[in-house]
Amino acid sequence: DSGVTQTPKHLITATGQRVTLRCSPRSGDLSVYWYQQSLDQGLQFLIQYYNGEERAKGNILERFSAQQFPDLHSELNLSSLELGDSALYFCASSARPGVTGYGNTIYFGEGSWLTVV
Amino acid sequence: DQQVKQNSPSLSVQEGRISILNCDYTNSMFDYFLWYKKYPAEGPTFLISISSIKDKNEDGRFTVFLNKSAKHLSLHIVPSQPGDSAVYFCAASNAGGTSYGKLTFGQGTILTVHP
Repeated sequence: DSGVTQTPKHLITATGQRVTLRCSPRSGDLSVYWYQQSLDQGLQFLIQYYNGEERAKGNILERFSAQQFPDLHSELNLSSLELGDSALYFCASSARPGVTGYGNTIYFGEGSWLTVV
Repeated sequence: DQQVKQNSPSLSVQEGRISILNCDYTNSMFDYFLWYKKYPAEGPTFLISISSIKDKNEDGRFTVFLNKSAKHLSLHIVPSQPGDSAVYFCAASNAGGTSYGKLTFGQGTILTVHP
């Protein structure tokens, strides 16, 4: 158990709909990351927050948005869903906005499986 | 554009032997490299990392080698155990840049260790 909690674990929704994925970081971790793992693209970095502020952005679609709240939990909002958005969405957290190994391991949650039908 | 590549989708090894997983990268700005292990229905778990100022880092049965000139790194597991069977991801980062926490992952290699 990494200490990173993601809900829901599984979600099936129709095209055009909107969903929200939720993440609670490990206790004390200030940085939250979102990654998408699809069959053809592998693990892709979406976005990073540190203490409520956006810190780094990857190939996140405009239909997707995220935020980190004062209690440090984060939400990833996916709207106008398409079939190609079906993927496993991982949240990860770390104490600082650095990289694993500089005394700052990035811990991953178990992921939220999203299926768009 | 695949900046981090793991060209072997799978690897099968006998218990007790050495497992060697390979990874190539193209972005010369990468200066920090990591290996993650992933079991089914779990998130990736950090294994070992190496900075570009080193060419080797060892942690127990796991050793990572970095060849900067070839833009190649490898993970050696000695001796391999059945519990090591998992998907192994290579990841890279530009730790000195502004995208501190952004990891670029390879496609993964499925390691199977047979008893």
